[in-house]
Amino acid sequence: EAQVTQNPRYLITVTGKKLTVTCSQNMNHEYMSWYRQDPGLGLRQIYYSMNVEVTDKGDVPEGYKVSRKEKRNFPLILESPSPNQTSLYFCASSPRPTGGKAQYFGPGTRLLVL
Amino acid sequence: QQQVKQSPQSLIVQKGGISIINCAYENTAFDYFPWYQQFPGKGPALLIAIRPDVSEKKEGRFTISFNKSAKQFSLHIMDSQPGDSATYFCAARTSGSRLTFGEGTQLTVNP
Repeated sequence: EAQVTQNPRYLITVTGKKLTVTCSQNMNHEYMSWYRQDPGLGLRQIYYSMNVEVTDKGDVPEGYKVSRKEKRNFPLILESPSPNQTSLYFCASSPRPTGGKAQYFGPGTRLLVL
Repeated sequence: QQQVKQSPQSLIVQKGGISIINCAYENTAFDYFPWYQQFPGKGPALLIAIRPDVSEKKEGRFTISFNKSAKQFSLHIMDSQPGDSATYFCAARTSGSRLTFGEGTQLTVNP
């Protein structure tokens, strides 16, 4: 089954404690990206990657890091989480940046930073 | 600052009616305008998309109307059904693949 998986699905942490949210896709897609979703703000792109070792900033990259060492994985790293990073996070992948119907979102990771 | 403005924030429509959601943008570098549908507890799903060289695109009951001179585009859902109840997001992309979303519209279709 074609899918994007994220782990963990729910996470409660404390300010300053480094965390990583994993994202993996099994469709051999080149393009992957991370979004955060906040009420009244819609989805905002954090980072995206056009292919292995190619990443670029989205609209709200501050406080986040990403890496793309393998085509299937695109982890999101919060080196020192702060309460304003409490949000719902989505990973997405597609064979082209925004092409066709073949754009898949993961199930989401709900993060609470205390 | 939100580069893509979406309205209304919420919309209630009767079954069989037409749902209309509007979006406006400022950045003329946007070259691709998708709409996403999101059900509670799920990730967004690409619904339909349009490029600025086309004024209208229709897929089933869903139609995008695009007005390049006014920098506005809208989603029309014909014969709205209770199963269409979801949150809808418009978005716009620059050639560098940065995707900017609108604030979202929560659509409720009453039976």
